[in-house]
Amino acid sequence: SQTIHQWPATLVQPVGSPLSLECTVEGTSNPNLYWYRQAAGRGLQLLFYSVGIGQISSEVPQNLSASRPQDRQFILSSKKLLLSDSGFYLCAWSDLSYEQYFGPGTRLTVT
Amino acid sequence: QQPVQSPQAVILREGEDAVINCSSSKALYSVHWYRQKHGEAPVFLMILLKGGEQKGHEKISASFNEKKQQSSLYLTASQLSYSGTYFCGTEWGSGTYKYIFGTGTRLKVLA
Repeated sequence: SQTIHQWPATLVQPVGSPLSLECTVEGTSNPNLYWYRQAAGRGLQLLFYSVGIGQISSEVPQNLSASRPQDRQFILSSKKLLLSDSGFYLCAWSDLSYEQYFGPGTRLTVT
Repeated sequence: QQPVQSPQAVILREGEDAVINCSSSKALYSVHWYRQKHGEAPVFLMILLKGGEQKGHEKISASFNEKKQQSSLYLTASQLSYSGTYFCGTEWGSGTYKYIFGTGTRLKVLA
């Protein structure tokens, strides 16, 4: 069966510090991978999605970037965090059925 | 532009029914429904792939009106466990793999 891992679960970082969130999927090949951000009490904002290694589509400019160095690994990064980057970051994968399966999420607080 | 859901929030007593609507300004190629409990990741409920399709899952069912570009989720004889935020999701353009979610509906079931 397929599983998706995200870490860390929680993170508190000062403004201006770098960020690296990692997501890995097991039990499937060539999944579509997604990063979403959810502000407190709000909806899911699509940040990046990827249909293959090295293929990244960005929906949000600003100071975030994503990379997919391996088939089942998706990384979200920032060189300098802003206060507005705080939120609940969710990684998800899907196959041809388009159903989204979410990881447990990372709760990021930028102070 | 993300799909718009209505109502934004609803409070029910156990055993009451609710309808959540999802409307899009663009063509919907498929509609998925998810439920998110507080502090957790969204969980997939069901998918509707074709206009006119209806699906049921115990006391939760959904319909998809492709021409009207909308979908509705029906919750009958609600239970306490139905509480959470419901999101519709859709692929933003056939074959794009760009996946976005609706604005969300907060549902609370009281004993």
